[in-house]
Amino acid sequence: DAGVIQSPRHEVTEMGQEVTLRCKPISGHNSLFWYRQTMMRGLELLIYFNNNVPIDDSGMPEDRFSAKMPNASFSTLKIQPSEPRDSAVYFCASSLVERGPQHFGDGTRLSIL
Amino acid sequence: RKEVEQDPGPFNVPEGATVAFNCTYSNSASQSFFWYRQDCRKEPKLLMSVYSSGNEDGRFTAQLNRASQYISLLIRDSKLSDSATYLCVVTRPSGGGADGLTFGKGTHLIIQP
Repeated sequence: DAGVIQSPRHEVTEMGQEVTLRCKPISGHNSLFWYRQTMMRGLELLIYFNNNVPIDDSGMPEDRFSAKMPNASFSTLKIQPSEPRDSAVYFCASSLVERGPQHFGDGTRLSIL
Repeated sequence: RKEVEQDPGPFNVPEGATVAFNCTYSNSASQSFFWYRQDCRKEPKLLMSVYSSGNEDGRFTAQLNRASQYISLLIRDSKLSDSATYLCVVTRPSGGGADGLTFGKGTHLIIQP
């Protein structure tokens, strides 16, 4: 079975550019999560969706970040404009039920120069 | 008190030894608990759920102590391949929003030959 699929795997771009990260959850999973991981702050939940509806985006750092889930099989996380401090690994995860075990994608390693 | 706390380690343990580490949580209403494993530069992967009565999966034993608000992970007959960072996850009842899903920062385990 296909797991959570994220793209791109790596992204290097200059500050000020728009960055779009993509995620395809496991088919049939109702909840989707976006995380950011850095050495300093560990794994931080940015936002999660349940049945394609954003439940709480209080983890989103600021207005430069936005996330959408137009259908059950696709979600995006956008950063515009990007800044060097956004450099991190961004993970997408999905779960069958809202507070069940989560399955993670391989992550996107983002470097903003 | 932080919502979820783990000793970051590293724990340096000789191969074949038994090692245990804990994760404390602050919200007594927390309902679900999990242990995840994360290898260097990889995504977190579910290791095991933690049930109220305690549970075992091969060399791994997870326990929950609600009175003292901690979960534990015991690894017997440790292998070199057990070297990783172990993350605990604590969830809260419905209505907790994004804060209802919290990862600890992880305990780094190094198994030495």
